[in-house]
Amino acid sequence: GNSVTQMEGPVTLSEEAFLTINCTYTATGYPSLFWYVQYPGEGLQLLLKATKADDKGSNKGFEATYRKETTSFHLEKGSVQVSDSAVYFCALGGTGGFKTIFGAGTRLFVKA
Amino acid sequence: KAGVTQTPRYLIKTRGQQVTLSCSPISGHRSVSWYQQTPGQGLQFLFEYFSETQRNKGNFPGRFSGRQFSNSRSEMNVSTLELGDSALYLCASSSGLASPYEQYFGPGTRLTVT
Repeated sequence: GNSVTQMEGPVTLSEEAFLTINCTYTATGYPSLFWYVQYPGEGLQLLLKATKADDKGSNKGFEATYRKETTSFHLEKGSVQVSDSAVYFCALGGTGGFKTIFGAGTRLFVKA
Repeated sequence: KAGVTQTPRYLIKTRGQQVTLSCSPISGHRSVSWYQQTPGQGLQFLFEYFSETQRNKGNFPGRFSGRQFSNSRSEMNVSTLELGDSALYLCASSSGLASPYEQYFGPGTRLTVT
């Protein structure tokens, strides 16, 4: 079946460090891929998306490229800030049945 | 556009009671999905409603049920509450139609069962 696997956290970085959160997926067909972010005490927010192979989604300095050959959608940011501390969810949608499959989430802590 | 709203934001109930949570989607959206989020199990899909019909269902017992009204507002009901039902319940709205199937989440209802 369809699934999403993302790296376990927590990930702890110092401010201005480079961030990578790995995400791989298993799916039939041509899914859309998403990264959502959840700040403390809030619901999830859509951070970025990509709808087809080689698409790059970007928002607020975060980027992720849809790699069909490696079935991956890794999240990157060149310089993290304390305000980026949150839980990040990789997700897959559009594989039929209109369901979204979420990864387990990766908690990021950024220290000043 | 107004976002997704959920009421109430916080709720404390006793074991054995029942509870109803409400979700109002973004205007024009016809799909509402419900999720349970706990530290141990993460984000788990409960069910999705589209145009008043349950279209998808997760693996939760029958104590968890939902419905959707003609204005797309949705309610989720949990009967015979158990301690393990303590969680953040999130609803998400989407157009429910074609790609890319992105969802917009509400702030959640924090349910505590004592």
